[in-house]
Amino acid sequence: KQEVTQIPAALSVPEGENLVLNCSFTDSAIYNLQWFRQDPGKGLTSLLLIQSSQREQTSGRLNASLDKSSGRSTLYIAASQPGDSATYLCAPRGSARQLTFGSGTQLTVLP
Amino acid sequence: DGGITQSPKYLFRKEGQNVTLSCEQNLNHDAMYWYRQDPGQGLRLIYYSQIVNDFQKGDIAEGYSVSREKKESFPLTVTSAQKNPTAFYLCASSARGSGRALEIRGDTQYFGPGTRLTVL
Repeated sequence: KQEVTQIPAALSVPEGENLVLNCSFTDSAIYNLQWFRQDPGKGLTSLLLIQSSQREQTSGRLNASLDKSSGRSTLYIAASQPGDSATYLCAPRGSARQLTFGSGTQLTVLP
Repeated sequence: DGGITQSPKYLFRKEGQNVTLSCEQNLNHDAMYWYRQDPGQGLRLIYYSQIVNDFQKGDIAEGYSVSREKKESFPLTVTSAQKNPTAFYLCASSARGSGRALEIRGDTQYFGPGTRLTVL
């Protein structure tokens, strides 16, 4: 059964810093991996989807990498802003074709 | 304006009652999903449906039931058999639930705003 771990659980940084969020998963047989953002009490917003054949995917200040063989993905946020404060969730899609979610990294960007 | 809607936003239930959470999408998506989120935890899959009139159990289906009579609607009933129903419930949809196209293209899941259920 797929298990997903996100480290750190919480992170606080000053505005303008570049930062990296980590995601590891135990079953490398995945089709793709999604990164989501969740604001308090809200639904999830998809940020990036990276396919198993890809190494990187970029959208604006966000860059996601995927190393399927080692079961790792990172989300890089450049020049962080207070509006980036949220919980970030990663979710690989495995052989059962369903998403398995990590518990998330709660990011606070201080002005 | 396309998207996924969930209602109500907040729901209170007395012990022993069944309640139904609504999920509607106008994205013309084939697949729909229900997840449960507890504080400080990731989402866990309750049920999913890849096509109308078909659905499968997820990881934590006990105490829940669903129907998929229309493509755009996937209501979730929380029954009295669910021992700890207080949670945040999220509905999602994706263009396709399975098939070779999914493996090649990947398929983004889009989420609704959620329903917070509290048992009194």
